[in-house]
Amino acid sequence: NAGVTQTPKFQVLKTGQSMTLQCAQDMNHEYMSWYRQDPGMGLRLIHYSVGAGITDQGEVPNGYNVSRSTTEDFPLRLLSAAPSQTSVYFCASSAPRGKVSTDTQYFGPGTRLTVL
Amino acid sequence: KQEVTQIPAALSVPEGENLVLNCSFTDSAIYNLQWFRQDPGKGLTSLLLIQSSQREQTSGRLNASLDKSSGRSTLYIAASQPGDSATYLCAVNRGKLIFGQGTELSVKP
Repeated sequence: NAGVTQTPKFQVLKTGQSMTLQCAQDMNHEYMSWYRQDPGMGLRLIHYSVGAGITDQGEVPNGYNVSRSTTEDFPLRLLSAAPSQTSVYFCASSAPRGKVSTDTQYFGPGTRLTVL
Repeated sequence: KQEVTQIPAALSVPEGENLVLNCSFTDSAIYNLQWFRQDPGKGLTSLLLIQSSQREQTSGRLNASLDKSSGRSTLYIAASQPGDSATYLCAVNRGKLIFGQGTELSVKP
């Protein structure tokens, strides 16, 4: 198993550009989520999904869109990038019990995004 | 609002020492607590997960305890090695993970 994979590893954008961060997992996990990690702020939840076709907002959803058309993939879209979105982005997955994820969460290697 | 605090923020010890990392949280209504390791420039690796009904979990030289009533968890590392140098994060699960800021550990040879 490759686990959780993320592409690209690094990205530089100009303000106003759009892009999609890709996340895929091959563990047949229902629960997937996106976090951003910033110095002094720790890891904060952006969006999450408990299964294909179901998404919900986390702590810091503004400026980001998600969709979940398959169990394996959970892309994160930045529609109009801003310097405040410069961060390291992590995708995670786990197998939920019921509607919350109570199992071990597995993280991808991260995408380092800089918005100029 | 659930808050998670990790003390100390940084710790430097000589090789071979036993050490304890602390994690405290404000709301005891959690499903579980998870300890992660993060190496510089890398993702998070899960070390131990303690369900809310458990008191401790062990994996090799690592032992994690959970006291929900006092809102505390500790990660005990026995016989520390330079390879243990990393940032250690705890996260409480209330349906979503809420992370502490981490403890940056440096183990000197």
